Amino acid sequence: GEDVEQSLFLSVREGDSSVINCTYTDSSSTYLYWYKQEPGAGLQLLTYIFSNMDMKQDQRLTVLLNKKDKHLSLRIADTQTGDSAIYFCADASGGSYIPTFGRGTSLIVHP
Amino acid sequence: SQTIHQWPATLVQPVGSPLSLECTVEGTSNPNLYWYRQAAGRGLQLLFYSVGIGQISSEVPQNLSASRPQDRQFILSSKKLLLSDSGFYLCAWKETGGFGYTFGSGTRLTVV
Repeated sequence: GEDVEQSLFLSVREGDSSVINCTYTDSSSTYLYWYKQEPGAGLQLLTYIFSNMDMKQDQRLTVLLNKKDKHLSLRIADTQTGDSAIYFCADASGGSYIPTFGRGTSLIVHP
Repeated sequence: SQTIHQWPATLVQPVGSPLSLECTVEGTSNPNLYWYRQAAGRGLQLLFYSVGIGQISSEVPQNLSASRPQDRQFILSSKKLLLSDSGFYLCAWKETGGFGYTFGSGTRLTVV
């Protein structure tokens, strides 16, 4: 079945850029999402990108999509301690558009 | 505006006891509703989804069940909990035909 892979941990210094990577296997993916989960909380939709786009920028967030390599990345500029959380990549395709989630990348921001 | 409510926030239950988790959505009609489970150190696993009252699709076989007695109410149940049912349970909704999913705040279930 479809699979979404992410690295489990990323540690960055405050003020640096963070890049979280994700790969997926479903070539028919239509929507790709990034969600943020703070400790003990639900998931918050950060941003999404349609499969016919290469890039999307939203303030400090930049999403890059390489459809040929099935690679999605999330770049957070000027990373702050408040950005520490688990970031989930997800893709959705087909008529139901039910997303398949990766295992999440735990972003740790240290001073 | 639309809101989603999940309760309880935390629950500790003995093995073999029943379970009922409730999720309600306000401010919308005929939402698609979803139950996910997040086990420790693992990603999100889709358990059930519903596109209408009384309609339930199950993604994985297990001792859990779901029901949708009203348009904006989604219930996750079990007759007898297992230790392996421990986890963080998340309810989510989206508009029919939409693509953005909104999640509830989750229920932390510990089976002891």
